[in-house]
Amino acid sequence: QKEVEQNSGPLSVPEGAIASLNCTYSDRGSQSFFWYRQYSGKSPELIMFIYSNGDKEDGRFTAQLNKASQYVSLLIRDSQPSDSATYLCAVNRGSGYALNFGKGTSLLVTP
Amino acid sequence: KAGVTQTPRYLIKTRGQQVTLSCSPISGHRSVSWYQQTPGQGLQFLFEYFSETQRNKGNFPGRFSGRQFSNSRSEMNVSTLELGDSALYLCASSLGSAQETQYFGPGTRLLVL
Repeated sequence: QKEVEQNSGPLSVPEGAIASLNCTYSDRGSQSFFWYRQYSGKSPELIMFIYSNGDKEDGRFTAQLNKASQYVSLLIRDSQPSDSATYLCAVNRGSGYALNFGKGTSLLVTP
Repeated sequence: KAGVTQTPRYLIKTRGQQVTLSCSPISGHRSVSWYQQTPGQGLQFLFEYFSETQRNKGNFPGRFSGRQFSNSRSEMNVSTLELGDSALYLCASSLGSAQETQYFGPGTRLLVL
């Protein structure tokens, strides 16, 4: 079983809509959760991190964490064509442990 | 603050050769992690160094090795290159403390012919 699972997509949403990206993980000892954005041919860029159950908002982005369900999500409000990229979910047990990545969800925001 | 830098950015090698990639972390960051990214496998963890010590290692053959210097700069080496080693190699740095956030460099794209 893959440790971090994401739907590969592509997820297509119209401009201005809310994009919802989901991620599940198998390691119950996971403590830190990250969302990275990766444009084609570029390296991953950190969008948000979340450590506690609940929601965390940063501008148009909201990360949601539910440790009981082993589920983390990313909501992008007012989606823009520039948000079109692959979104990578990453999970970490803590200091000294490797960051485990999902394979990413491809998001396409259409004008 | 300058970001993570990686050199070279692009590299073409032939099978059987070896290659050394370099990574300079963000100033003050003591942890450097290396990843291999391919279209089929996604981002796979190679190893992590903290204060010149390998703290964690992924499931890669011994042909892949690395080291970290006292200034936190890190190198990774791949010996006896195979076609399947063609990939984007990414370096990420972090402070190395609990709940560490990793910041990626631009990557080195390696093509093995």
